[in-house]
Amino acid sequence: RKEVEQDPGPFNVPEGATVAFNCTYSNSASQSFFWYRQDCRKEPKLLMSVYSSGNEDGRFTAQLNRASQYISLLIRDSKLSDSATYLCVVTLPSYTLTFGKGTMLLVSP
Amino acid sequence: DGGITQSPKYLFRKEGQNVTLSCEQNLNHDAMYWYRQDPGQGLRLIYYSQIVNDFQKGDIAEGYSVSREKKESFPLTVTSAQKNPTAFYLCASSIKGAGALYNEQFFGPGTRLTVL
Repeated sequence: RKEVEQDPGPFNVPEGATVAFNCTYSNSASQSFFWYRQDCRKEPKLLMSVYSSGNEDGRFTAQLNRASQYISLLIRDSKLSDSATYLCVVTLPSYTLTFGKGTMLLVSP
Repeated sequence: DGGITQSPKYLFRKEGQNVTLSCEQNLNHDAMYWYRQDPGQGLRLIYYSQIVNDFQKGDIAEGYSVSREKKESFPLTVTSAQKNPTAFYLCASSIKGAGALYNEQFFGPGTRLTVL
């Protein structure tokens, strides 16, 4: 089983739509969780960390479910500029980040 | 402006040649990392360093070498022993050391290496 799994998409949505991505991780000892955004041919950029209580940043809401070992990202009122690949990232104790392959989002006018 | 710089942005080399990719940061971060990204693949860790003069192998270190003589700099050498060197190489840094809780990493713009 892969350490971090994501649906590669693409998710095609119209502007203004709400879209959600899930990501599952295999190691129950995973301790930190993030969503990164990567534009085509650019470097990943931190979107938000994901905490046990869930957290929100503007139109973006992230949730963590440790029992089921998944994290989610909800984007409300999608903008054209939200089009990108969203990377799910987890860390294990005493180790570095493990990246999923990403979910592609395409927002159309 | 604080940040991470990588140079060059694009690099072309002939097969069998060693090549060194530059990574510099002025964020005063202790930890630095090198990743490789292939099309349709997740990032894979090559090497990381938590302090000056110390570095650790990541998941795919074979055919690569690094040095960390200064806190600000973490160059990566792609040697002729690396069988498939063509890829997008990303350098990152973090305030906390590798493995720390919520250790956010920040990335440079990357170097696209093509071996002909």
